[in-house]
Amino acid sequence: AQRVTQPEKLLSVFKGAPVELKCNYSYSGSPELFWYVQYSRQRLQLLLRHISRESIKGFTADLNKGETSFHLKKPFAQEEDSAMYYCALPRGAMDTGRRALTFGSGTRLQVQP
Amino acid sequence: GAVVSQHPSRVICKSGTSVKIECRSLDFQATTMFWYRQFPKKSLMLMATSNEGSKATYEQGVEKDKFLINHASLTLSTLTVTSAHPEDSSFYICSAVPGGRGPQHFGDGTRLSIL
Repeated sequence: AQRVTQPEKLLSVFKGAPVELKCNYSYSGSPELFWYVQYSRQRLQLLLRHISRESIKGFTADLNKGETSFHLKKPFAQEEDSAMYYCALPRGAMDTGRRALTFGSGTRLQVQP
Repeated sequence: GAVVSQHPSRVICKSGTSVKIECRSLDFQATTMFWYRQFPKKSLMLMATSNEGSKATYEQGVEKDKFLINHASLTLSTLTVTSAHPEDSSFYICSAVPGGRGPQHFGDGTRLSIL
């Protein structure tokens, strides 16, 4: 069964410090992974998807199939990065649009001034 | 960008009441929508997949007679929590994929509180 694990419930760093939010997955096949972010009082929104290999708001994430990881990184955290971050994996083998997501338990990032 | 609207955002009602939650795709058509449930400090858990013009697909352990889903049009799915009880209190979130491809877009969620 597929699974997404985010081992840290809370990550607290100071402004300007590097950030790494961990995500490990178990999936039989070629995975497609996402990071979603939920700012306070806002809806869940897409931050990154691994197939696009882009940097959004300074965040990057690299899929490491050997370690089955998709850690989210940012070299210098900003206060506005404080939010809840979820790693997610589409379920099943159908086209992405027809598949629901399996979410990790989420990590709350707190960036202190 | 693509917008998913969810209504109402907050419901407080007595035990035994049935509650309907609407999920609308405002600027795109969605043959498939998803309903999730999120308990406090927990992750989102898929409840069911709503399919336009056909029956919803429920996840194991989710009572289909308790959580009625109707996807009557390409822009609207509704979730009705029938005879709600305090244990049904939760945060319910819907999502849809514009054009059936790409990432999911989420509604704002509905916080349901059953007294």
